[in-house]
Amino acid sequence: QSVLTQPPSASGTPGQRVTISCSGTSSNIGGHHVYWYQQLPGKAPRLLIYRNYQRPSGVPDRFSGSKSGTSASLAISGLRSEDEGVYYCAAWDDSLSGHGVFGGGTTLTVL
Amino acid sequence: QVQLVESGGGVVQPGRSLKISCAASGFAFSSYTMHWVRQAPGKGLEWVAFISYDSTNEYYADSVKGRFTISRDNSKNTLYLQMNSLRLEDAAIYYCTRGSPSDVDFDYWGQGTLVTVSS
Repeated sequence: QSVLTQPPSASGTPGQRVTISCSGTSSNIGGHHVYWYQQLPGKAPRLLIYRNYQRPSGVPDRFSGSKSGTSASLAISGLRSEDEGVYYCAAWDDSLSGHGVFGGGTTLTVL
Repeated sequence: QVQLVESGGGVVQPGRSLKISCAASGFAFSSYTMHWVRQAPGKGLEWVAFISYDSTNEYYADSVKGRFTISRDNSKNTLYLQMNSLRLEDAAIYYCTRGSPSDVDFDYWGQGTLVTVSS
């Protein structure tokens, strides 16, 4: 059971907008930045969103992040087939002397 | 360009030890905090440990505390993970990542090295 809670799956058709939620507590999301990672099939994860809403260079502006209180969300607009993969949220957690925590991952299917 | 290349994975029996490595290039390795993140087969990501740029601080996940030791050799641009008393549940792909202290901003990842724990 993951510390951060994500829906196990999400789907949409090409061109649609999809949102993935991530729920935590005051010891993680509530007090720290949220990061999002994309893992395409057979590949290592890649940083998609950092510090809640910022995009690394090379990440299309179709991807956006937001955070409010102890929850965060990732939105993908103009869905494309190459977006199919697993998306993870992550944050630092102050409990137990400090450790990193991930969500369980959301598998995105482009129909 | 930044490159992180893990090595040293393999098959090991429960209770035995293994040391994996990560060779870094393309950036000032000695200036960055480094982390290990693992992924069990078919499962999600799990943060394992980090070490500060100068090796003065180390943090571990509870699941590996007391059994795993993270270390680095800045003269060789190499990160290590010594894994002792291995358990079946330690079987995973181990990724080396570049990041920050007490944060999960992993901007570069290696391709991973597979550790299999089996009798």
